This record gives sequence, C-alpha cells and structure tokens, in this order.
Amino acid sequence: GQQVMQIPQYQHVQEGEDFTTYCNSSTTLSNIQWYKQRPGGHPVFLIQLVKSGEVKKQKRLTFQFGEAKKNSSLHITATQTTDVGTYFCAGIGHTGGFKTIFGAGTRLFVKA
Amino acid sequence: KAGVTQTPRYLIKTRGQQVTLSCSPISGHRSVSWYQQTPGQGLQFLFEYFSETQRNKGNFPGRFSGRQFSNSRSEMNVSTLELGDSALYLCASSWTRDSLSYEQYFGPGTRLTVT
Repeated sequence: GQQVMQIPQYQHVQEGEDFTTYCNSSTTLSNIQWYKQRPGGHPVFLIQLVKSGEVKKQKRLTFQFGEAKKNSSLHITATQTTDVGTYFCAGIGHTGGFKTIFGAGTRLFVKA
Repeated sequence: KAGVTQTPRYLIKTRGQQVTLSCSPISGHRSVSWYQQTPGQGLQFLFEYFSETQRNKGNFPGRFSGRQFSNSRSEMNVSTLELGDSALYLCASSWTRDSLSYEQYFGPGTRLTVT
C-alpha cells in the first residue's frame, strides 16, 4: 500500500540555524499537505501543494513538491523558538480513493 | 466559525470495555476523518466518512468502527478495548469538492487510556 516516509525523526538546532524535513512517497501523489503540531496541541494545516515542481513560501518557510510528485520538503530559514513542534507531511494519493497518509513527522527542537 | 469539537476530551476505560467518541465538524464540512496518534506510530488513519458513507478505511481491526450522521457529526466506536488502544484519537474535518479533499482541520482530540 501507499507509504509516506519522513526524515529526520528528530532535529535539534540552535536558534537562527536552518531546518529541513523531507518526505518521500512510495507512489505518485495527487497532492501533499504539511501540518504543524505544537507540543500538547493538535495538527494545524500549513499548506497544500498540488502541481509538479511547485514551490510555495510562507515567511521563513519554503515548501517544495518534487517534479515526479513523489517527494516534498519543508525548509525553515533562521529558526526561532516559536518553530518548535512536530512537522508532518500528508500525502494524498490516487490508490484506494483519495486517502490521506501522514508521514511519521519530524520533531524540531530549537535551543535559544 | 466554530472549530472541530470532540467529546469527551479524556477517557479512562478498562480492557474489554467498549467506547464511543464523538466529533462535530466545522459547519459546512462534509468529510470527517479519524486518526489514532501514539508516540511510537505517529498519525495512523482510521477511516473517512463523507455524506454518511465510509469513503476510505485504514488498516485497523474490525473492533474500530465509525459512522456519520446526516448533520455530518461523526462517532467512532472501539469494542473490546486492549491496552494498545491507549492513544490520542483525533478527528479532522474538511470541505471536499469532487473527490479531492482539501486541508483538514483537526479537533483537540480525545485522550483514551485503557487500563
């Protein structure tokens, strides 16, 4: 079945350093979404990418969707303590209906 | 606009019992999905309901079931609880057009502890 792998599992950074998390799907995706979950909270939608090769920016966050629509990345420039939390990618594929499969998430720790 | 609400927020049950969790989606959202979140397994998809019909299903045993009502509210039921069912159960609603789901809005979750 469809699988979505996300790396790394954890990332410790010093405030001001950059951070990147990567997502890879075993099958071609229809679209991909990114969510952020703060400690003790619930996932909150960040963005959706639909087109092959799409790049979207939200302030210090840059999201990319691969040309083959099988991989994606989230890059944060100059991390801040407010960026702490777990970042999930969610792949929406064509197989078995439009099922959303979440990656395992990357937990980001930012040291001030 | 009110967000997704889930009740109860916390629940303690004993092995072998059954439990029903409730989710009220954002007004106008017709798709409701359920997820199980554990520290070791991340977010695992349980099922999705749209217009009172189960549209997608994850790889969970038949002890896990759900339904959706005409007002889009949804319930999930877990029968014969096991210790491994202890988790945060999240409900998410989205507005769908055609067969493509848009962003999901998550509720605060129900923390289930099975003793």
